[in-house]
Amino acid sequence: EPEVTQTPSHQVTQMGQEVILRCVPISNHLYFYWYRQILGQKVEFLVSFYNNEISEKSEIFDDQFSVERPDGSNFTLKIRSTKLEDSAMYFCASSQQGANEKLFFGSGTQLSVL
Amino acid sequence: AQSVTQPDIHITVSEGASLELRCNYSYGATPYLFWYVQSPGQGLQLLLKYFSGDTLVQGIKGFEAEFKRSQSSFNLRKPSVHWSDAAEYFCAVGANQAGTALIFGKGTTLSVSS
Repeated sequence: EPEVTQTPSHQVTQMGQEVILRCVPISNHLYFYWYRQILGQKVEFLVSFYNNEISEKSEIFDDQFSVERPDGSNFTLKIRSTKLEDSAMYFCASSQQGANEKLFFGSGTQLSVL
Repeated sequence: AQSVTQPDIHITVSEGASLELRCNYSYGATPYLFWYVQSPGQGLQLLLKYFSGDTLVQGIKGFEAEFKRSQSSFNLRKPSVHWSDAAEYFCAVGANQAGTALIFGKGTTLSVSS
């Protein structure tokens, strides 16, 4: 089965630093997502992306966050100035027809902000 | 607002025994409902989904779920659990008809004893 690939698997950064989390969605998919899971809490929706623009974002996705699909294959999540509370597992997902069809998730990037 | 509740944080089942994981949702219209599974070090994988039609849906790995509108529930079942089923299970509801996001529950961790 095709896979969504995320790099790095672990990222440690200092508070206030910028981080970029990278994802390679499945090649013929059109919808892209970022979710995160803080330890012990639910998986939370951050943002969805379709047709080269954000289609929906949650309250979590404030001005510190941005997404980009720079080259037609990668899908990145940038956090401009990380905070301690940004420490979480970040999951990228993609879908051919939207979240109400099958989402394919990557294995996640564990972000630790010190 | 849409929400999902998984009342059981952790369940332990003997191998070969039956399993039922509970999920309750809150949604104004006919919901899209999902069960995802996350094995250690892996991304979330779709087990099954429901939108309309037969209220008993079959999924992969021998799982099934039953939609009960009167109880706002979508419980996941398996008649005979295998040790490889040990994982974290997430119930989710489609956040909107446009299919731009899913709302997840906090998850239930399943342990299988021999």
